[in-house]
Amino acid sequence: DIQMTQSPSSLSASVGDRVTITCRASQNINIYLNWYQQKPGEAPKLLICAASSLQSGVPSRFSGSGSGTDFILTISSLQPEDFATYYCQHSYSNPRTFGQGTKVDIK
Amino acid sequence: QVQLQESGPGLVKPSQTLSLTCTVSGGSISSGTYYWSWIRQPAGKGLEWIGRIYTSGGTNYNPSLKSRVTISVDTSKNQFSLKLSSVTAADTAVYYCARGSYSSGYEAFDYWGQGTLVTVSS
Repeated sequence: DIQMTQSPSSLSASVGDRVTITCRASQNINIYLNWYQQKPGEAPKLLICAASSLQSGVPSRFSGSGSGTDFILTISSLQPEDFATYYCQHSYSNPRTFGQGTKVDIK
Repeated sequence: QVQLQESGPGLVKPSQTLSLTCTVSGGSISSGTYYWSWIRQPAGKGLEWIGRIYTSGGTNYNPSLKSRVTISVDTSKNQFSLKLSSVTAADTAVYYCARGSYSSGYEAFDYWGQGTLVTVSS
């Protein structure tokens, strides 16, 4: 199985801050990497697929980059509705696996 | 707008079989190049992919659960289902159904059900 490791596991930030979350795959996954946002009591929501392709309706303050084994999710200016847990997930092979999540909370 | 809704018992006894159904609305489960997955999340923990089915009937399962999992599809009802046998307390989780779709050859889970909590307890 491909292991996905996110860092940090949690972070505290203020509205307006630039936030970066890193995801590392245990082997080369090209750009088969997706990012999801999950709020408490809700299902995950797809933000970005194929490492950098923003889903329709997702604010442009979200962006993704990377290829191979190292990926980054960036929130350029954190908004109140962005406080949530973020997960990366690969779609390179079976089984699909997720990172352990990064919780973004209010400083 | 595609919607997915999980249904099934919220309480299952140890050693029994967990059975859940996902009903898809807003579109035919057979249309397009999609696959239909089950994903679970224990309380306070991360997400675990259980497996998926194509409407052709082909399946892929997580090797960690493969011996206990069966996913099936009923296109006439626009539903797909999960059966997980010999459950233990470790199978207690929120279970999500999700649609996998392709964009320029890359796959992602673009629609999710709201999730249903299944507790394994006697």
